[in-house]
Amino acid sequence: GDSVTQMEGPVTLSEEAFLTINCTYTATGYPSLFWYVQYPGEGLQLLLKATKADDKGSNKGFEATYRKETTSFHLEKGSVQVSDSAVYFCALSAPRGGSRLTFGEGTQLTVNP
Amino acid sequence: EPEVTQTPSHQVTQMGQEVILRCVPISNHLYFYWYRQILGQKVEFLVSFYNNEISEKSEIFDDQFSVERPDGSNFTLKIRSTKLEDSAMYFCASSEQGVNSPLHFGNGTRLTVT
Repeated sequence: GDSVTQMEGPVTLSEEAFLTINCTYTATGYPSLFWYVQYPGEGLQLLLKATKADDKGSNKGFEATYRKETTSFHLEKGSVQVSDSAVYFCALSAPRGGSRLTFGEGTQLTVNP
Repeated sequence: EPEVTQTPSHQVTQMGQEVILRCVPISNHLYFYWYRQILGQKVEFLVSFYNNEISEKSEIFDDQFSVERPDGSNFTLKIRSTKLEDSAMYFCASSEQGVNSPLHFGNGTRLTVT
């Protein structure tokens, strides 16, 4: 079945450091890919998405590129802020339709001033 | 900004009891979902609901579980006879146009079965 694997956390960075959170997936065909973020005490919210190969999703300085050849969708940000501290979830939706998201394990990011 | 609200935030129940978790989705959304996250594990899909019926359910969503939209605003998840392994954070979500439009999640209900 479909699955998503994220790099193990937690990740701790200093402010203005470069961030990469790795995400790889297994799916039949070409799924849509997402990054969701959960700030402390809140629900998950969509950060960015890409629906086809080579698409780049971007939002709030975060970027991720849909790489079919490596089945990856790594999240990057050039300069993190304390306010980026949150849990980040990679997810996919099946290309054959259906209505479920399949999530990765989540990666806890802490940014220190 | 409109948001999905869930009540209660924390529910403690004894094994074998029935629980109902409540959600108020965003008012113009048409698709509704329940997910759960057992402590230390992945967020898992339970069920999706559209046009007053279940559109998809996972292997987890067995006969112990049911969903209902009893009126125009609420969306509920019922667990008929809770087990210890049902202890988890349960998230409700809604979206305008299905899974490829943004899902808006509530803050979750932490269910503890003792």
